[in-house]
Amino acid sequence: AQKVTQAQTEISVVEKEDVTLDCVYETRDTTYYLFWYKQPPSGELVFLIRRNSFDEQNEISGRYSWNFQKSTSSFNFTITASQVVDSAVYFCALSELTSGSRLTFGEGTQLTVNP
Amino acid sequence: ETGVTQSPTHLIKTRGQQVTLRCSSQSGHNTVSWYQQALGQGPQFIFQYYREEENGRGNFPPRFSGLQFPNYSSELNVNALELDDSALYLCASSPARGRETQYFGPGTRLLVL
Repeated sequence: AQKVTQAQTEISVVEKEDVTLDCVYETRDTTYYLFWYKQPPSGELVFLIRRNSFDEQNEISGRYSWNFQKSTSSFNFTITASQVVDSAVYFCALSELTSGSRLTFGEGTQLTVNP
Repeated sequence: ETGVTQSPTHLIKTRGQQVTLRCSSQSGHNTVSWYQQALGQGPQFIFQYYREEENGRGNFPPRFSGLQFPNYSSELNVNALELDDSALYLCASSPARGRETQYFGPGTRLLVL
């Protein structure tokens, strides 16, 4: 069965600090997809990134970067020079090709960036 | 391009009642999924609809049911409401089932008293 673990329940940083959110996943499928979503207080889940299991290249988008390592089943998310607007709950999610596009989410990490 | 919309935004019901939540998918998307998010937890998959047919179901009882219409909009119906049904209900649409990214609506907050 698929499972996603986000061990960090809450993280608090000061603006301009770098912060890494951890995500560890479990799956028996060889083809799967990993996602990160951001959930601000309004509640809507905002899509940030999708990676497939065959593409282990790290990705950078502005202040955001993602480190995908199949050897450790991890898909970590780093925010560089954090800003107050980054404060939100961040979810890591997994979907297996054999399960359609059903997403399994972790419990989320509440990130608070203080000015 | 219009994103995913949901209605109503908030709802209060009493135990035993029935509720219908609505979702309009993003333009060009034919797959709709529903998730339940209890306070402080990650979203849990309820079911998915693809071209008006149920295409997968999570671990939810039969009193959770749904529909998808020809225009790909969708409804989530919950009968015999229980206190534990209080949650944020999220709808997501995607261009096709399987490999595509799901885009979420703002959700409906349901409170059962």
